[in-house]
Amino acid sequence: NAGVTQTPKFQVLKTGQSMTLQCAQDMNHEYMSWYRQDPGMGLRLIHYSVGAGITDQGEVPNGYNVSRSTTEDFPLRLLSAAPSQTSVYFCASSSPLGRGHEQYFGPGTRLTVT
Amino acid sequence: AQSVTQLDSQVPVFEEAPVELRCNYSSSVSVYLFWYVQYPNQGLQLLLKYLSGSTLVKGINGFEAEFNKSQTSFHLRKPSVHISDTAEYFCAVSDEEYGNKLVFGAGTILRVKS
Repeated sequence: NAGVTQTPKFQVLKTGQSMTLQCAQDMNHEYMSWYRQDPGMGLRLIHYSVGAGITDQGEVPNGYNVSRSTTEDFPLRLLSAAPSQTSVYFCASSSPLGRGHEQYFGPGTRLTVT
Repeated sequence: AQSVTQLDSQVPVFEEAPVELRCNYSSSVSVYLFWYVQYPNQGLQLLLKYLSGSTLVKGINGFEAEFNKSQTSFHLRKPSVHISDTAEYFCAVSDEEYGNKLVFGAGTILRVKS
């Protein structure tokens, strides 16, 4: 079991460029989510999904898109990068659906937008 | 909406000393509470969680936390810390409306000095 994997580990973008952060899990988890981590602000939820074909917005969704075509993959797309999106991005998964279940985190992607 | 307050942004402590990391939450109904740890340049890992039952919860690496409903607190403790405990610690609450979703505090950096 690889758990939750994320690629790339590091990325530098110029303002206005687009890119996709990849996330995959091999635990057959229904729930997947994306967070961004900024100093002094903890982790804030960007988007989440409760199964293939179902996604919803979290606390800070603006400037990001997601899709969930398979149980395993949950990519995060930055449409037009801005310096305010400089952050560390974490993908997480959990199962079964419902409260109280551990979330498993990927190693993160450190993104810098210049 | 749920919220979590971690009262200390940084806690310096000498090796083998006891430590307490403070966490307060807001909620109008029953809560599920978590502590996660993040070692440098890594993802988050679950330390312990409170779902119901005994208010004293034991976790990995010798950590424990006490749920106090009247004070809406879930403080994390360890009787004797090691250098290897140096990390950032996050308190989180399960969102009652959306199941698997977590709301995180801003984090507390524990620095263990020799």
